[in-house]
Amino acid sequence: DAKTTQPPSMDCAEGRAANLPCNHSTISGNEYVYWYRQIHSQGPQYIIHGLKNNETNEMASLIITEDRKSSTLILPHATLRDTAVYYCIVRGRTDSWGKLQFGAGTQVVVTP
Amino acid sequence: NAGVTQTPKFQVLKTGQSMTLQCAQDMNHNSMYWYRQDPGMGLRLIYYSASEGTTDKGEVPNGYNVSRLNKREFSLRLESAAPSQTSVYFCASSFNQETQYFGPGTRLLVL
Repeated sequence: DAKTTQPPSMDCAEGRAANLPCNHSTISGNEYVYWYRQIHSQGPQYIIHGLKNNETNEMASLIITEDRKSSTLILPHATLRDTAVYYCIVRGRTDSWGKLQFGAGTQVVVTP
Repeated sequence: NAGVTQTPKFQVLKTGQSMTLQCAQDMNHNSMYWYRQDPGMGLRLIYYSASEGTTDKGEVPNGYNVSRLNKREFSLRLESAAPSQTSVYFCASSFNQETQYFGPGTRLLVL
């Protein structure tokens, strides 16, 4: 499985965009990039995923570099409720068990 | 649409006691999963059910059993609880093993 590297923590001011980087240099051609977050004491929450094109939904945007070796999750207008651990996960569409391997993630703290 | 629900929210057991964690989803998903999360660690897969009528072991199945009761429900049973099973347990579901949606978790303390 491809592995991901994320910074352990980052701060963001409320109302500003939060840009969360993720490196996945060993990603293979059929593997997707998924982002989840986990707010304290809650279950992981799906945010967005993509293969090679940039993606946007009501929560965030996902920018994947052309070589697919890294990506950035963008929260356009961070709020205090966005404080959470954000996980970047790489998985194949046909991975056994629908496998999700959560690493350490990035602890994002949004400050007033 | 409640999504994925789990009961109970919190449980305290003594070593050797048994209990069943319940999970239900109303999204008509065919795949369901049980994970555990220990402090400072990521989620580890215990068991999964790719479709109704099938179950398979994940990374850490020892000490657990599961039942896929029907398409909606997937239960996790601890036959003889041990302190090492103190953890937060999350159930998840997905359509055809794609994007997984998680429940709120069950916090289990084994004394």
